[in-house]
Amino acid sequence: GQQLNQSPQSMFIQEGEDVSMNCTSSSIFNTWLWYKQDPGEGPVLLIALYKAGELTSNGRLTAQFGITRKDSFLNISASIPSDVGIYFCAGQLLVDDKIIFGKGTRLHILP
Amino acid sequence: DAGITQSPRHKVTETGTPVTLRCHQTENHRYMYWYRQDPGHGLRLIHYSYGVKDTDKGEVSDGYSVSRSKTEDFLLTLESATSSQTSVYFCAISETANYGYTFGSGTRLTVV
Repeated sequence: GQQLNQSPQSMFIQEGEDVSMNCTSSSIFNTWLWYKQDPGEGPVLLIALYKAGELTSNGRLTAQFGITRKDSFLNISASIPSDVGIYFCAGQLLVDDKIIFGKGTRLHILP
Repeated sequence: DAGITQSPRHKVTETGTPVTLRCHQTENHRYMYWYRQDPGHGLRLIHYSYGVKDTDKGEVSDGYSVSRSKTEDFLLTLESATSSQTSVYFCAISETANYGYTFGSGTRLTVV
């Protein structure tokens, strides 16, 4: 079946560093969504992308809908302690409109 | 916060017993979803609903059933709980099929 490959699985960074993560697939998507999940809570939507090539920012977060419609990336600039958590990508498949999730990138920030 | 509430937040049950989890929304959204989250698997769709009495299966629907008799409530039932159904269950809602979901806070279910 279709799947999203999200990488990296986990990251250990210093506070203040920039972060980059991405999702790739062999399938084509018409929507990309990026979520963050804090411990004990449900995922919260960060950014939604609806057009190939679209670049959207939300504060220190920037995400792009890949031009091939098969990938997306999320960047976080100047990381702070509250950025810790799990980041998920999700894509809506062009073929059947189903939404599938990546397995997440766990972000750790070293003191 | 969006009006979506899951109950209970935590439950421990015995193998073989039926269990019902409830999702309640106050947003009047058409679409409601049940996911389970397990380490190494991310979020996997169990069932979803696109209107009152309109439901469909997701990728991991075996052993689960759902009902939606009102717009605001979406129930997930484990007909006979098994240890493999120990998981964190999330409900989500959305206005349209391709808009970002709003997730509930989750129900942690342990089957012993």
